[in-house]
Amino acid sequence: QQQVKQSPQSLIVQKGGIPIINCAYENTAFDYFPWYQQFPGKGPALLIAIRPDVSEKKEGRFTISFNKSAKQFSLHIMDSQPGDSATYFCAATLGDYKLSFGAGTTVTVRA
Amino acid sequence: GAGVSQSPSNKVTEKGKDVELRCDPISGHTALYWYRQSLGQGLEFLIYFQGNSAPDKSGLPSDRFSAERTGGSVSTLTIQRTQQEDSAVYLCASSLGQWPGYTFGSGTRLTVV
Repeated sequence: QQQVKQSPQSLIVQKGGIPIINCAYENTAFDYFPWYQQFPGKGPALLIAIRPDVSEKKEGRFTISFNKSAKQFSLHIMDSQPGDSATYFCAATLGDYKLSFGAGTTVTVRA
Repeated sequence: GAGVSQSPSNKVTEKGKDVELRCDPISGHTALYWYRQSLGQGLEFLIYFQGNSAPDKSGLPSDRFSAERTGGSVSTLTIQRTQQEDSAVYLCASSLGQWPGYTFGSGTRLTVV
């Protein structure tokens, strides 16, 4: 049973567009929500993370929005570039070492 | 080394054979993790090693899977009597202490034919 549900499975945007990836969770005990970026042939790399007491976090062109009451969070990529084309995973943890991952979203940014 | 190193990068094996996958963590990292990434699915936790403590094996999908970590460094994931459903990318990660902050290797792509 997947504890974190991610959508869409894939999306295509034009350069400069804002891809949005959504995730939902059930376990209210989750207390840390990281996002990972994965390029083909590489392992996932931590991109940005948020705790549930914060509604929004920005790092460069990447923004996480967090809605604790709805148990949902999302990643926005502002002014997307072709180099942002990758697979993005949301995840959640109970504050220990086990991460529960979403199924991933493949983002393609066309030049 | 500079990063987490996994070998081989690709492995094709016949159904029923045993395979060993190797992980060299970042030097000095005490925690080591194995995850499995199946096509179209997220990463699935398999096992966690922390120093000399007993490993958390709760994610291993069957008794055909086992892992060890020798000398607190290199780890080997062994899959016995491989099945086609074992085909996946097996990712290793390491960290200095506990989460957060672990670094993934590039993985071993296992194909069982």
